[in-house]
Amino acid sequence: KQEVTQIPAALSVPEGENLVLNCSFTDSAIYNLQWFRQDPGKGLTSLLLIQSSQREQTSGRLNASLDKSSGRSTLYIAASQPGDSATYLCAVDTGNQFYFGTGTSLTVIP
Amino acid sequence: SQTIHQWPATLVQPVGSPLSLECTVEGTSNPNLYWYRQAAGRGLQLLFYSIGIDQISSEVPQNLSASRPQDRQFILSSKKLLLSDSGFYLCAWSPAKGYNEQFFGPGTRLTVL
Repeated sequence: KQEVTQIPAALSVPEGENLVLNCSFTDSAIYNLQWFRQDPGKGLTSLLLIQSSQREQTSGRLNASLDKSSGRSTLYIAASQPGDSATYLCAVDTGNQFYFGTGTSLTVIP
Repeated sequence: SQTIHQWPATLVQPVGSPLSLECTVEGTSNPNLYWYRQAAGRGLQLLFYSIGIDQISSEVPQNLSASRPQDRQFILSSKKLLLSDSGFYLCAWSPAKGYNEQFFGPGTRLTVL
Protein backbone atom coordinates (compact mmCIF):
# COMPACT_ATOMS: atom_id res chain seq x y z
CA LYS A 1 0.00 0.00 0.00
CA GLN A 2 1.20 3.49 -0.82
CA GLU A 3 2.41 5.53 2.15
CA VAL A 4 3.09 9.25 1.97
CA THR A 5 5.24 11.03 4.52
CA GLN A 6 5.82 14.74 4.98
CA ILE A 7 8.71 16.15 6.92
CA PRO A 8 8.86 18.32 8.92
CA ALA A 9 5.43 18.20 10.56
CA ALA A 10 5.76 21.85 11.52
CA LEU A 11 8.01 24.66 10.41
CA SER A 12 8.39 28.24 11.57
CA VAL A 13 10.42 30.75 9.54
CA PRO A 14 10.91 34.52 9.49
CA GLU A 15 9.32 36.50 6.69
CA GLY A 16 11.38 36.66 3.52
CA GLU A 17 13.12 33.35 3.99
CA ASN A 18 13.15 30.70 1.28
CA LEU A 19 12.01 27.28 2.42
CA VAL A 20 11.58 23.69 1.27
CA LEU A 21 8.86 21.25 2.23
CA ASN A 22 9.42 17.55 1.68
CA CYS A 23 7.14 14.74 0.60
CA SER A 24 8.14 11.10 0.17
CA PHE A 25 6.15 8.12 -1.07
CA THR A 26 6.86 4.41 -0.95
CA ASP A 27 5.59 3.22 -4.35
CA SER A 28 6.97 4.98 -7.40
CA ALA A 29 4.11 3.77 -9.62
CA ILE A 30 2.20 7.03 -9.56
CA TYR A 31 0.36 9.02 -12.20
CA ASN A 32 0.63 12.46 -10.65
CA LEU A 33 1.64 14.25 -7.50
CA GLN A 34 -0.34 17.21 -6.26
CA TRP A 35 0.49 19.86 -3.65
CA PHE A 36 -2.29 21.51 -1.67
CA ARG A 37 -2.65 24.28 0.84
CA GLN A 38 -5.16 24.12 3.70
CA ASP A 39 -6.06 27.07 5.89
CA PRO A 40 -7.57 26.30 9.33
CA GLY A 41 -11.13 25.07 9.06
CA LYS A 42 -11.11 25.27 5.28
CA GLY A 43 -10.97 22.89 2.34
CA LEU A 44 -7.86 22.13 0.35
CA THR A 45 -6.67 24.48 -2.36
CA SER A 46 -4.70 22.96 -5.21
CA LEU A 47 -1.30 24.61 -5.68
CA LEU A 48 0.56 22.52 -8.23
CA LEU A 49 0.11 19.27 -10.11
CA ILE A 50 3.16 17.42 -11.39
CA GLN A 51 2.55 14.72 -13.94
CA SER A 52 4.61 11.55 -13.59
CA SER A 53 6.56 12.42 -16.74
CA GLN A 54 7.52 15.87 -15.44
CA ARG A 55 10.28 16.84 -13.08
CA GLU A 56 9.00 20.19 -11.88
CA GLN A 57 6.23 22.75 -12.02
CA THR A 58 6.25 26.42 -11.14
CA SER A 59 3.56 28.85 -10.12
CA GLY A 60 4.62 32.28 -8.95
CA ARG A 61 6.84 31.89 -5.87
CA LEU A 62 6.17 28.16 -5.72
CA ASN A 63 8.24 25.47 -7.37
CA ALA A 64 7.53 21.78 -6.99
CA SER A 65 9.90 19.04 -8.08
CA LEU A 66 9.36 15.34 -8.52
CA ASP A 67 11.87 12.49 -8.48
CA LYS A 68 9.63 9.50 -9.07
CA SER A 69 12.37 6.90 -8.98
CA SER A 70 13.43 7.91 -5.47
CA GLY A 71 9.88 8.56 -4.30
CA ARG A 72 10.41 12.20 -3.42
CA SER A 73 8.90 15.60 -4.09
CA THR A 74 9.78 19.01 -2.75
CA LEU A 75 7.82 22.25 -2.61
CA TYR A 76 10.03 25.31 -2.67
CA ILE A 77 8.55 28.60 -1.48
CA ALA A 78 10.58 31.69 -2.30
CA ALA A 79 10.53 34.89 -0.25
CA SER A 80 7.98 33.61 2.24
CA GLN A 81 5.19 35.92 3.45
CA PRO A 82 2.90 35.77 6.50
CA GLY A 83 0.04 34.94 4.13
CA ASP A 84 1.83 31.70 3.27
CA SER A 85 1.08 30.42 6.78
CA ALA A 86 -1.03 27.29 6.35
CA THR A 87 -0.77 23.52 6.26
CA TYR A 88 0.71 22.11 3.08
CA LEU A 89 -0.23 18.62 1.96
CA CYS A 90 1.03 16.45 -0.84
CA ALA A 91 -0.95 13.66 -2.48
CA VAL A 92 -0.02 10.97 -4.97
CA ASP A 93 -2.42 9.60 -7.54
CA THR A 94 -2.08 5.85 -8.15
CA GLY A 95 -5.10 5.56 -10.44
CA ASN A 96 -8.51 6.07 -8.96
CA GLN A 97 -7.13 6.73 -5.52
CA PHE A 98 -5.18 9.50 -3.92
CA TYR A 99 -2.91 9.02 -0.92
CA PHE A 100 -2.24 12.03 1.25
CA GLY A 101 0.53 12.94 3.60
CA THR A 102 -0.32 14.35 7.04
CA GLY A 103 0.96 17.75 6.05
CA THR A 104 3.50 20.34 7.13
CA SER A 105 2.17 23.22 9.21
CA LEU A 106 4.00 26.37 8.14
CA THR A 107 4.14 29.58 10.15
CA VAL A 108 5.78 32.63 8.61
CA ILE A 109 6.66 35.17 11.29
CA PRO A 110 6.37 38.86 10.31
CA SER B 1 -15.45 27.42 -14.50
CA GLN B 2 -16.06 24.55 -12.15
CA THR B 3 -17.24 24.96 -8.58
CA ILE B 4 -17.94 22.49 -5.81
CA HIS B 5 -20.38 23.06 -2.98
CA GLN B 6 -20.87 21.31 0.32
CA TRP B 7 -23.54 21.74 2.94
CA PRO B 8 -24.06 22.17 5.69
CA ALA B 9 -20.87 23.95 6.68
CA THR B 10 -21.17 22.84 10.30
CA LEU B 11 -23.31 20.27 12.03
CA VAL B 12 -23.76 19.15 15.62
CA GLN B 13 -25.61 15.89 16.04
CA PRO B 14 -26.33 13.54 18.96
CA VAL B 15 -25.04 9.99 18.97
CA GLY B 16 -27.45 7.64 17.22
CA SER B 17 -28.98 10.29 14.98
CA PRO B 18 -28.95 10.07 11.16
CA LEU B 19 -26.65 12.03 8.89
CA SER B 20 -26.88 13.43 5.40
CA LEU B 21 -24.13 15.55 3.88
CA GLU B 22 -24.45 16.84 0.35
CA CYS B 23 -21.91 17.73 -2.28
CA THR B 24 -22.61 19.15 -5.73
CA VAL B 25 -20.31 20.07 -8.58
CA GLU B 26 -21.05 22.65 -11.24
CA GLY B 27 -19.43 23.34 -14.59
CA THR B 28 -18.32 19.84 -15.50
CA SER B 29 -19.89 16.54 -16.46
CA ASN B 30 -19.26 12.98 -15.33
CA PRO B 31 -16.69 13.91 -12.70
CA ASN B 32 -15.02 11.43 -10.40
CA LEU B 33 -16.27 12.20 -6.90
CA TYR B 34 -14.70 11.54 -3.51
CA TRP B 35 -15.58 11.73 0.17
CA TYR B 36 -12.77 12.17 2.68
CA ARG B 37 -12.69 12.54 6.44
CA GLN B 38 -10.03 14.53 8.21
CA ALA B 39 -9.83 13.86 11.93
CA ALA B 40 -8.00 16.22 14.25
CA GLY B 41 -4.23 15.77 13.91
CA ARG B 42 -4.57 13.11 11.25
CA GLY B 43 -4.33 12.97 7.49
CA LEU B 44 -7.14 12.66 5.00
CA GLN B 45 -8.89 9.31 4.98
CA LEU B 46 -10.63 8.32 1.75
CA LEU B 47 -14.12 7.07 2.54
CA PHE B 48 -15.78 6.64 -0.84
CA TYR B 49 -15.09 7.36 -4.48
CA SER B 50 -17.34 7.23 -7.49
CA ILE B 51 -16.50 7.14 -11.19
CA GLY B 52 -20.15 7.32 -12.25
CA ILE B 53 -23.74 7.01 -11.15
CA ASP B 54 -24.24 3.71 -9.30
CA GLN B 55 -20.47 3.16 -9.27
CA ILE B 56 -19.36 3.79 -5.72
CA SER B 57 -16.43 2.15 -4.00
CA SER B 58 -15.95 2.06 -0.26
CA GLU B 59 -12.48 2.22 1.16
CA VAL B 60 -13.08 1.79 4.87
CA PRO B 61 -15.69 -0.42 6.60
CA GLN B 62 -17.84 1.83 8.72
CA ASN B 63 -21.38 2.89 9.46
CA LEU B 64 -21.33 5.43 6.66
CA SER B 65 -22.71 5.06 3.14
CA ALA B 66 -22.59 7.12 -0.02
CA SER B 67 -24.94 7.61 -2.92
CA ARG B 68 -24.82 9.44 -6.23
CA PRO B 69 -28.38 10.19 -7.28
CA GLN B 70 -27.27 12.52 -10.07
CA ASP B 71 -24.13 12.88 -12.15
CA ARG B 72 -22.82 15.81 -10.14
CA GLN B 73 -24.33 15.09 -6.73
CA PHE B 74 -22.68 12.99 -4.05
CA ILE B 75 -24.30 12.30 -0.68
CA LEU B 76 -22.75 10.89 2.48
CA SER B 77 -25.16 9.28 4.92
CA SER B 78 -25.41 7.40 8.15
CA LYS B 79 -28.36 5.82 9.88
CA LYS B 80 -26.84 6.10 13.37
CA LEU B 81 -23.90 8.35 14.16
CA LEU B 82 -21.09 7.31 16.49
CA LEU B 83 -18.85 9.59 18.53
CA SER B 84 -15.96 8.50 16.32
CA ASP B 85 -17.72 9.96 13.27
CA SER B 86 -16.80 13.47 14.39
CA GLY B 87 -14.44 15.17 12.00
CA PHE B 88 -14.07 17.39 8.98
CA TYR B 89 -15.70 15.90 5.88
CA LEU B 90 -14.38 16.95 2.52
CA CYS B 91 -15.84 16.30 -0.90
CA ALA B 92 -13.63 16.45 -3.96
CA TRP B 93 -13.92 15.98 -7.70
CA SER B 94 -11.51 15.21 -10.50
CA PRO B 95 -12.02 15.15 -14.28
CA ALA B 96 -13.12 11.86 -15.76
CA LYS B 97 -10.53 12.20 -18.49
CA GLY B 98 -7.11 13.75 -18.66
CA TYR B 99 -4.90 14.42 -15.71
CA ASN B 100 -6.45 13.45 -12.44
CA GLU B 101 -6.21 16.72 -10.56
CA GLN B 102 -8.43 16.92 -7.50
CA PHE B 103 -10.44 19.93 -6.43
CA PHE B 104 -11.95 20.18 -2.98
CA GLY B 105 -15.07 21.67 -1.52
CA PRO B 106 -15.12 23.87 1.59
CA GLY B 107 -15.86 20.97 3.94
CA THR B 108 -18.40 20.16 6.65
CA ARG B 109 -17.39 20.19 10.30
CA LEU B 110 -19.35 17.42 12.06
CA THR B 111 -19.44 17.15 15.84
CA VAL B 112 -21.17 14.15 17.35
CA LEU B 113 -22.11 14.59 21.02
